[in-house]
Amino acid sequence: NAGVTQTPKFQVLKTGQSMTLQCAQDMNHNSMYWYRQDPGMGLRLIYYSASEGTTDKGEVPNGYNVSRLNKREFSLRLESAAPSQTSVYFCASRDTGGRTDTQYFGPGTRLTVL
Amino acid sequence: GDSVTQMEGPVTLSEEAFLTINCTYTATGYPSLFWYVQYPGEGLQLLLKATKADDKGSNKGFEATYRKETTSFHLEKGSVQVSDSAVYFCALSDAGTGFQKLVFGTGTRLLVSP
Repeated sequence: NAGVTQTPKFQVLKTGQSMTLQCAQDMNHNSMYWYRQDPGMGLRLIYYSASEGTTDKGEVPNGYNVSRLNKREFSLRLESAAPSQTSVYFCASRDTGGRTDTQYFGPGTRLTVL
Repeated sequence: GDSVTQMEGPVTLSEEAFLTINCTYTATGYPSLFWYVQYPGEGLQLLLKATKADDKGSNKGFEATYRKETTSFHLEKGSVQVSDSAVYFCALSDAGTGFQKLVFGTGTRLLVSP
């Protein structure tokens, strides 16, 4: 049981390049999330998927797109990277147990945009 | 909207000292409350949670009590160890989003010296 896995761990892009961050979970969770973490700002929600086939914007969706490929996988795409997207990106998943439920996080992808 | 406020860090302590990290929240509904911990270079891990007023969450010697009257969820530990050095995040989820989304504080870095 690997939990939540993310690839790659590190990535350097040039401004204008595109890339896709991959996330997979093996806990049979319904909901999946993408966050970015910036110094002094905590974690901010980019997009989430409450169930397979649905996606919704979070707090900071501009410049990103997502795909919920199946129940296990949720990818985040940067179509044209900008230096402001330099951050650490975390994927998370959650079952839909309501008030008592918790989110489980992957190890993160550290992205630098030059 | 919902928000979480944590004390600014870093908090610097000697081993075996008492720890308190303050957390207060603003929520329109009746939230669930969480503390997550992030060790260097890793993703976030759930440390403890409380889902109703006066509940006490506890784990690994850490405790936090859900205080509805003061809208607080302060993290405490009686005797910290060097291995507790990490960043601690307070977070909430509430019924307004079906407990789907987490709102995080900005995090508090704890540094424990031998």
